[in-house]
Amino acid sequence: SQKIEQNSEALNIQEGKTATLTCNYTNYSPAYLQWYRQDPGRGPVFLLLIRENEKEKRKERLKVTFDTTLKQSLFHITASQPADSATYLCAFDRGSTLGRLYFGRGTQLTVWP
Amino acid sequence: GAVVSQHPSRVICKSGTSVKIECRSLDFQATTMFWYRQFPKQSLMLMATSNEGSKATYEQGVEKDKFLINHASLTLSTLTVTSAHPEDSSFYICSATRGGRGGRGEQFFGPGTRLTVL
Repeated sequence: SQKIEQNSEALNIQEGKTATLTCNYTNYSPAYLQWYRQDPGRGPVFLLLIRENEKEKRKERLKVTFDTTLKQSLFHITASQPADSATYLCAFDRGSTLGRLYFGRGTQLTVWP
Repeated sequence: GAVVSQHPSRVICKSGTSVKIECRSLDFQATTMFWYRQFPKQSLMLMATSNEGSKATYEQGVEKDKFLINHASLTLSTLTVTSAHPEDSSFYICSATRGGRGGRGEQFFGPGTRLTVL
């Protein structure tokens, strides 16, 4: 079965630094990989989507890379701010017609002033 | 745009009763909706995929007779937890996709429903 792992449960960084979160997958190659932000007691909010034939995607202070050889996606937040503190989830879509997403456990990011 | 609501946001019920959770897409038509459950500090676990006008597709290990899903219109899907037990206590979240059947791309999530079964 598919497996998706996010390397650490928690990441603490200082404001202004770049946060880098890792997502690894095994067994199946996703057609799409997505990143979401989730705040406590809320539903996830979509951030970025990257396709298997794309190496990198950017959106403002966010950057996602996708390495199908390493079976890994990296999610970067540059110039991090305390407001970026949240749990970040990666999810993959195998490209089935149903568009189902399978989520990793998430990395809880804390940005301290 | 692309707002998804859930009702209720929180529900407490006695063991053995049934609970219905509604998921609505407020400003778009959602051909496909998804239902997830999430335990504390755990990932979202996909339960089922719901397409308007057809039977839901359940993930392996999810009891379809216990978790009844109805997607009667393009803006409403319901999840009914039948004969709820304390182990069903969880955070239930729905999501919806815009566009064609199969919903490629981002999913728009509801705010979630916290179910507590006593």
